Amino acid sequence: DAGITQSPRHKVTETGTPVTLRCHQTENHRYMYWYRQDPGHGLRLIHYSYGVKDTDKGEVSDGYSVSRSKTEDFLLTLESATSSQTSVYFCAIQAGRTTEAFFGQGTRLTVV
Amino acid sequence: ILNVEQSPQSLHVQEGDSTNFTCSFPSSNFYALHWYRWETAKSPEALFVMTLNGDEKKKGRISATLNTKEGYSYLYIKGSQPEDSATYLCAFPGSSNTGKLIFGQGTTLQVKP
Repeated sequence: DAGITQSPRHKVTETGTPVTLRCHQTENHRYMYWYRQDPGHGLRLIHYSYGVKDTDKGEVSDGYSVSRSKTEDFLLTLESATSSQTSVYFCAIQAGRTTEAFFGQGTRLTVV
Repeated sequence: ILNVEQSPQSLHVQEGDSTNFTCSFPSSNFYALHWYRWETAKSPEALFVMTLNGDEKKKGRISATLNTKEGYSYLYIKGSQPEDSATYLCAFPGSSNTGKLIFGQGTTLQVKP
């Protein structure tokens, strides 16, 4: 199994609070991604990274920010959590654009 | 925003039926096309990464074809089994060098015994 872990696995937070999710890899892969799972939409890309300190927005980036200060860690921050951000979040890593992506176990976030 | 479309959205078949679904993607500046299998309560897992026009890949009873000129890929399952029940996703990395792996909305397959 690819070395990718997400933390926390489950979190309940209150509306308006900041939340940070962590994705950690041990594979030294260049690309890292944050997706959210929404019914009827599959996986929607929030932000992605193509190298240390190189990040860009995805399809649904509003209300989210990311940071990648070292190869192995990609952090997703919800600046002020809203109920619409209740979802399951998946991190993925990829060595190159013609190689498969590997996914973390997912983080279930509930905003109450 | 890249347009990656999958059809149908869902499919119900009987055990033993063969089935197929479609992924369409932008045909210009093609780089690769990915297929993933996603079981309920698990994480997506890669089936195939296809890079060449006319490519055909096979894994057991599952196979995929690729037409980059017209921008579509088919995934076939021969003799569906209940354990094939899952959501099948395709993903397109786009043309820039910076990545951006975009997924289609998926086809959810339910195989009845």
